[in-house]
Amino acid sequence: EIVLTQSPGTLSLSPGERATLSCRPSQNIDSIYLAWYQQKPGQAPRLLIYGGSTRATGIPDRFSGSGSGTDFTLTINRLEPEDFAVYYCQQYGTSPFTFGPGTKVDIK
Amino acid sequence: EVQLVQSGAEVKKPGESLKISCKASGYRFSTYWIAWVRQMPGKGLEWMGIIYPDDSDTRYSPSFQGLVTISADKSTRAAYLQWNSLRASDTAIYYCARSLYYDSSPQSPWDYWGRGTLVTVSS
Repeated sequence: EIVLTQSPGTLSLSPGERATLSCRPSQNIDSIYLAWYQQKPGQAPRLLIYGGSTRATGIPDRFSGSGSGTDFTLTINRLEPEDFAVYYCQQYGTSPFTFGPGTKVDIK
Repeated sequence: EVQLVQSGAEVKKPGESLKISCKASGYRFSTYWIAWVRQMPGKGLEWMGIIYPDDSDTRYSPSFQGLVTISADKSTRAAYLQWNSLRASDTAIYYCARSLYYDSSPQSPWDYWGRGTLVTVSS
């Protein structure tokens, strides 16, 4: 099973700042099999990024994904109030399609 | 419009059985994978397993193999998650989600999600 490690656990930032979230798989994965999701309290997760760097439909361009192998990053430029949430990475290349433990982005 | 409508909250006792549903609309049900994802109270997302309704090809996470059964019914456009004997540790929200890609490969991100079914197991 591929284990995904996300860091930091919590990121405290102010609106307008940039958020940089890390996801490190326990083994190399092809970037085409890496996704990021956003989850707000009381809501289902929402797909943000798939294929490592492709924004899902309707996702603003302040969200971007990058990386390869065992080092992936989700960047949120100019945080908006609605961006404060928990972010999960997921690999879907090798079953079971595991999620990382999440990074909470909260307001400083 | 794609929708996944999940069945309502359940309160059960340990040892009881349960089957929750996820009813799909707005797309060709049989050719997209459906996943089930668990979220225990205050915790992260756990991938439980997936099913391809067209042929009922099912894959389970080893963590859930033998503990739950995933099924689908093309005639009712619904996927199901079933327990034969619930435990208190099954208390969680269970989400269904649809694959982004419409083919027989399960290697896909998940773009549409149900609102979740809260299952509470308590004596």
